[in-house]
Amino acid sequence: AQSVTQLGSHVSVSEGALVLLRCNYSSSVPPYLFWYVQYPNQGLQLLLKYTTGATLVKGINGFEAEFKKSETSFHLTKPSAHMSDAAEYFCAVSDLGDTGFQKLVFGTGTRLLVSP
Amino acid sequence: NAGVTQTPKFQVLKTGQSMTLQCAQDMNHEYMSWYRQDPGMGLRLIHYSVGAGITDQGEVPNGYNVSRSTTEDFPLRLLSAAPSQTSVYFCASSPDRSSYNSPLHFGNGTRLTVT
Repeated sequence: AQSVTQLGSHVSVSEGALVLLRCNYSSSVPPYLFWYVQYPNQGLQLLLKYTTGATLVKGINGFEAEFKKSETSFHLTKPSAHMSDAAEYFCAVSDLGDTGFQKLVFGTGTRLLVSP
Repeated sequence: NAGVTQTPKFQVLKTGQSMTLQCAQDMNHEYMSWYRQDPGMGLRLIHYSVGAGITDQGEVPNGYNVSRSTTEDFPLRLLSAAPSQTSVYFCASSPDRSSYNSPLHFGNGTRLTVT
């Protein structure tokens, strides 16, 4: 079964600083990888995804992630943090269910704190 | 433009009670799923469905039942609530039966407390 590991349950940055949220995956086949964001008291929404093709993926709100097969990583970055980026971020990988259909497996999440 | 609607938003149950968490989507999505979110554990898949009449278990299915009689609805039933089921529950849907191909659309969650 596929899985993802997110290093760091909390990450703190200052406004304007680089954001780096780490995600490593475990997969025996080429994975489909995702980053989702959850704002307080809301459901999750998709930031970006990697399926095939270009390994540097750009998402919404200035975020991007790079798929590195050699490192089994899919870290999320943003050059300059904004106060509105404060949220919880989840990395996810697509896995094959017993019925043969794809399903998503989420990491444990990283809470991003942005200080003025 | 409702998207994924979950009811109720909050619920308190006593141990042993049963209840159904409702999930409805108006986007004609084939794929629907239920997750629970617990601190430090992220989101864990309970059950999912790839179409009417087709369901499968996720990571943590014990204590929960689902059925999919229509495309729109995917209720989650707790047969005999336990304190370990205290959690925030999210329903999510996608237009594709393979969930990787299109993003999941999430509801706003149901916060369940079992005393």
